[in-house]
Amino acid sequence: AQSVTQLDSQVPVFEEAPVELRCNYSSSVSVYLFWYVQYPNQGLQLLLKYLSGSTLVKGINGFEAEFNKSQTSFHLRKPSVHISDTAEYFCAVSEGAARSSASKIIFGSGTRLSIRP
Amino acid sequence: DVKVTQSSRYLVKRTGEKVFLECVQDMDHENMFWYRQDPGLGLRLIYFSYDVKMKEKGDIPEGYSVSREKKERFSLILESASTNQTSMYLCASSPPPQGTVSYEQYFGPGTRLTVT
Repeated sequence: AQSVTQLDSQVPVFEEAPVELRCNYSSSVSVYLFWYVQYPNQGLQLLLKYLSGSTLVKGINGFEAEFNKSQTSFHLRKPSVHISDTAEYFCAVSEGAARSSASKIIFGSGTRLSIRP
Repeated sequence: DVKVTQSSRYLVKRTGEKVFLECVQDMDHENMFWYRQDPGLGLRLIYFSYDVKMKEKGDIPEGYSVSREKKERFSLILESASTNQTSMYLCASSPPPQGTVSYEQYFGPGTRLTVT
């Protein structure tokens, strides 16, 4: 069965510093990987996704993530964060399989990113 | 842009009440989902539907039921609300998978339900 682990529940970072949010997954088949962001009092919004092809994926707001199959990781990075990046970030995985399971996405427990001025 | 709307942002109900949470999407998506979000637990799938009148249990269906009479609308029902159902409820929709490739889900703003 697939699962997602976000190793850090909270990450405090100074403004303009780089950040990496870690995500590891477990799955026995091909996977599709996502990062979502949730700003305060809002729903989730897609940041980026990996379906196939290049292992380095670029998303919105200057974020990028690298798919590493051997380490089963999909870490999210940004070279310089801004106060507006304060939010909760969720890593998610979906397996390629029969119709119903391919539609479902499993979410990690989330990482709260707080930016200090 | 895909729009997923939920009937209420905040809701307060009493223990034992029947509660309806409504979700509507305007992109003609086949798939619709209900999650609950609790601190430290991420999102947990309650139910999902891949077609009108079709539903499948998620990871935590106990105490909930769903209804999908029209493609654009997916309702979550708490038959008899309890205090442990106090949570944030998120609705999402997505196109069907293409072969085995999954597509991302689009989320509504959430309903924060408090059961007293």
